[in-house]
Amino acid sequence: EAGVAQSPRYKIIEKRQSVAFWCNPISGHATLYWYQQILGQGPKLLIQFQNNGVVDDSQLPKDRFSAERLKGVDSTLKIQPAKLEDSAVYLCASSLDPLKANYGYTFGSGTRLTVV
Amino acid sequence: GNSVTQMEGPVTLSEEAFLTINCTYTATGYPSLFWYVQYPGEGLQLLLKATKADDKGSNKGFEATYRKETTSFHLEKGSVQVSDSAVYFCALIRSNDYKLSFGAGTTVTVRA
Repeated sequence: EAGVAQSPRYKIIEKRQSVAFWCNPISGHATLYWYQQILGQGPKLLIQFQNNGVVDDSQLPKDRFSAERLKGVDSTLKIQPAKLEDSAVYLCASSLDPLKANYGYTFGSGTRLTVV
Repeated sequence: GNSVTQMEGPVTLSEEAFLTINCTYTATGYPSLFWYVQYPGEGLQLLLKATKADDKGSNKGFEATYRKETTSFHLEKGSVQVSDSAVYFCALIRSNDYKLSFGAGTTVTVRA
């Protein structure tokens, strides 16, 4: 089965610019997650979708970050305007169903963002 | 709250050495426990998991046992190879909201 696809792999932008990341989860996976992984730290959940609805966005800095999953399939995460501290790897993950989440999530390769 | 604490790195070993990475957790209820691995330049991959007390997860020569009495899920491998050089993350999924939470990661380097 195809994995979780993310693009771009790398992005370098100047502070105060905007950037968007794209994720296509595994076919049939209803639950989609965006994580932020700062260098030297474990991934931190930013937002969780169930189909096209937001389940949890309590850790998303909503003044600058936004995410959508309009058709319940692929998703975009946007940062506007970016700050230096947003430099991180942004990981997308999906799972079949929260009730089956004990099987573990499947992660994409991530987008490495550098803000200069 | 719920959290995962794992042994700080970096850890440097010689080939064929024994590897242990300690992981302890705090969580209400009965979480599922995981080890994820991140090889250089690659994404996170599920290494092994255990969903209830006394379960043992195993994969690629790695093992970890879910110890509820000590709230631990230590990762072990009897004889490491250079190809095991990676960052290892202990993680849990809470039984009440199914969110995956990670430890800070342990960098392991195996020298030939």
